[in-house]
Amino acid sequence: AQKVTQAQTEISVVEKEDVTLDCVYETRDTTYYLFWYKQPPSGELVFLIRRNSFDEQNEISGRYSWNFQKSTSSFNFTITASQVVDSAVYFCALSAFGFYNQGGKLIFGQGTELSVKP
Amino acid sequence: DTGVSQDPRHKITKRGQNVTFRCDPISEHNRLYWYRQTLGQGPEFLTYFQNEAQLEKSRLLSDRFSAERPKGSFSTLEIQRTEQGDSAMYLCASSLSQVAPSNEQFFGPGTRLTVL
Repeated sequence: AQKVTQAQTEISVVEKEDVTLDCVYETRDTTYYLFWYKQPPSGELVFLIRRNSFDEQNEISGRYSWNFQKSTSSFNFTITASQVVDSAVYFCALSAFGFYNQGGKLIFGQGTELSVKP
Repeated sequence: DTGVSQDPRHKITKRGQNVTFRCDPISEHNRLYWYRQTLGQGPEFLTYFQNEAQLEKSRLLSDRFSAERPKGSFSTLEIQRTEQGDSAMYLCASSLSQVAPSNEQFFGPGTRLTVL
């Protein structure tokens, strides 16, 4: 079975604080991809990052960074020096390569609502 | 704008009525996905098309739901005899089918359905 768990339902921080969003996944496939999407109040999902299961290098993009650890099946997302515009719901998603996922469908977590207050 | 578009953005209907939603993917994308998102939850996969062929359907897609992509371009999702439990945001996404699991899916703005 494939599953993504985002245990933090809501997080509230004050602007300029650092915040980490947790993501834990389950899959028996050895080849898979992990994604983070942002959903602002407008509703449209915005792609942030994609990592494959063979690349555990951490990635940094501006104020965003991602920590992928296969040993703990986690793919956590950190926003440094948060801003009000970061307020949104963030989703972690999994796409595993296997017989039962020929089409690459995404399995999403429940999402973490981040509120950044000025 | 060359992104994924969906129409209508909002739909309010009475229980028992039929509704149809449309999705226009990014023009060169041959894969098209439908997801459903209820309040406070992540999107859940419903079905996907490779060109005009519907290749996978979720168990969430009951007999009252039907999706088509007749010419491999736009797609429609119809819900017959709507129920209050169908109230949700219906999201469409498209992608290129190079290596399926790795492809970035581009999402549309969604159609929010409210069944009274």
